[in-house]
Amino acid sequence: DTAVSQTPKYLVTQMGNDKSIKCEQNLGHDTMYWYKQDSKKFLKIMFSYNNKELIINETVPNRFSPKSPDKAHLNLHINSLELGDSAVYFCASSQVLSGGETEETQYFGPGTRLLVL
Amino acid sequence: AQSVTQLGSHVSVSEGALVLLRCNYSSSVPPYLFWYVQYPNQGLQLLLKYTTGATLVKGINGFEAEFKKSETSFHLTKPSAHMSDAAEYFCAVREFYGNKLVFGAGTILRVKS
Repeated sequence: DTAVSQTPKYLVTQMGNDKSIKCEQNLGHDTMYWYKQDSKKFLKIMFSYNNKELIINETVPNRFSPKSPDKAHLNLHINSLELGDSAVYFCASSQVLSGGETEETQYFGPGTRLLVL
Repeated sequence: AQSVTQLGSHVSVSEGALVLLRCNYSSSVPPYLFWYVQYPNQGLQLLLKYTTGATLVKGINGFEAEFKKSETSFHLTKPSAHMSDAAEYFCAVREFYGNKLVFGAGTILRVKS
């Protein structure tokens, strides 16, 4: 069973389009994340949701909007795509422990490779 | 603010040789430390982690890492490299209170036959 899954795996699109990437985790985790890996393989967090509530919002253009319909899903919608948005986007999840602290290990999905032409 | 420095963007070793990938971090509080591995065109897989307790931690595929607080280091080692170890390795840090992972720039490991 895939713990953290993302769709699509590859996404090729034109500049100016709007696209969404979906993420689902079946681990029962409360916290989910989106990371961006740029062309130099540098990984940086974009957003984090805890039980559908936004808790981390790094300096990301407001063209990027995460949406969490339930705690098992965190989708990423991108408006007006730009060339610089080309990257690999990783979803991840982790558990909230009984004391309210987030479990230290984050489990990553396989990534979505976005190419904007 | 936390940061992670991985010395050497590329490391090349011969099959059977020692693997040493360096990671130094800065954090104002005791951190959690991680090594993740990324094989070509795949996602990130947790290799090992340090949270508390024993400073030498063992991970999958024969890798281990030692947390040295005095040196703010968490270097990754493997006694004998295998061709299948060729991948990119990322060191990451997370503060005790918080859930944001900060990654290093990654080190590509090449294993020569």
